Amino acid sequence: EAGVTQFPSHSVIEKGQTVTLRCDPISGHDNLYWYRRVMGKEIKFLLHFVKESKQDESGMPNNRFLAERTGGTYSTLKVQPAELEDSGVYFCASSQEIPGANVLTFGAGSRLTVL
Amino acid sequence: AQRVTQPEKLLSVFKGAPVELKCNYSYSGSPELFWYVQYSRQRLQLLLRHISRESIKGFTADLNKGETSFHLKKPFAQEEDSAMYYCALRGYTGRRALTFGSGTRLQVQP
Repeated sequence: EAGVTQFPSHSVIEKGQTVTLRCDPISGHDNLYWYRRVMGKEIKFLLHFVKESKQDESGMPNNRFLAERTGGTYSTLKVQPAELEDSGVYFCASSQEIPGANVLTFGAGSRLTVL
Repeated sequence: AQRVTQPEKLLSVFKGAPVELKCNYSYSGSPELFWYVQYSRQRLQLLLRHISRESIKGFTADLNKGETSFHLKKPFAQEEDSAMYYCALRGYTGRRALTFGSGTRLQVQP
């Protein structure tokens, strides 16, 4: 079984540019989460999809961030325009909705560096 | 608001010494508590969860509701335990996403 796949593994862009991160969850996992870890700080929740619907986007920092999950399969997270403080590692995780056993599987992360 | 606090950024011990990674939480209600681990060049992965009440790789963690703590313990540390450890919390209702602490780096020296 393939795990959660994220692309790119590392992206270096200049302030003001646009970057799109992609996450392919484990097949059959309805739940998809985006998290971000800024250097030295905690892993912060960004948003949660259930299939193609945004269940919770309370962690999205501002309207420069746009997440989509068309068709309920893979998801993209676009940052436009990128700012210096957006640098960090963006993690995606997926899970099945099984009561009492909803365990998240994480991807390797996409490291974003904004110069 | 829910919050997870890991007071130590770095914990360094010698091989064979006991380890305790501290985790305190704030949550109005009964939460699910987890420990996740990230070994060098590997993905973040689940180590254990409080409802399982099991020992994984020699690690255990007990949920203490009175002290709102979920400390991770191992009686004898091994070099391969060196990693970044994150405590995380999730409510049984409402938001289903995990809330993470800032992590503790465990270094086990030979």
